Amino acid sequence: AQSVTQLGSHVSVSEGALVLLRCNYSSSVPPYLFWYVQYPNQGLQLLLKYTSAATLVKGINGFEAEFKKSETSFHLTKPSAHMSDAAEYFCAVMASSNTGKLIFGQGTTLQVKP
Amino acid sequence: DAGVTQSPTHLIKTRGQQVTLRCSPKSGHDTVSWYQQALGQGPQFIFQYYEEEERQRGNFPDRFSGHQFPNYSSELNVNALLLGDSALYLCASRGFEGDSITNTGELFFGEGSRLTVL
Repeated sequence: AQSVTQLGSHVSVSEGALVLLRCNYSSSVPPYLFWYVQYPNQGLQLLLKYTSAATLVKGINGFEAEFKKSETSFHLTKPSAHMSDAAEYFCAVMASSNTGKLIFGQGTTLQVKP
Repeated sequence: DAGVTQSPTHLIKTRGQQVTLRCSPKSGHDTVSWYQQALGQGPQFIFQYYEEEERQRGNFPDRFSGHQFPNYSSELNVNALLLGDSALYLCASRGFEGDSITNTGELFFGEGSRLTVL
């Protein structure tokens, strides 16, 4: 079975500061891991995905995440926050056994202060 | 290239009624999944359709049913609506990427149908 825990339901940073959103996963099989972003009243947009290739994954809008098997973590980072990054962020896990079923975390709301 | 499209975008129903939500997958995608996102929560998997059959199902009652058509579009039906069914319903489609065994394709989501049950 798979599960995802996102530490911190709300994160607030100043514009230009480092963004760090934490995600820990549990999976009985090799996982695929994803970060999605959701802007108000919109669907989910994929930021990046890990599918057992490089452990450091670069995504859109300057975000990146590192898969650490020993820590069962897949934290999302961005060196410098922009006002437009304010949104809800979801970490998700999928069993690599081709199920296509995503298990989501509860989400982290990112606030960016001017 | 149109992405995943869903209709209607918003709707209001009363308890006990039935609702049908529709989804057209991204061009080239043949697998459709439905998710329920309650306010302030992450999306929860309802079920997945491939080749017009339900392939997987999450922990949802039989009041939730679906269908996939030959053109890969899909419908989600919810009967006997409860107040707790109020949520954003998201459709996601997936194609095939990777080798012959492992599909690394990601899910593309529509903007959702927001259902309010009064």
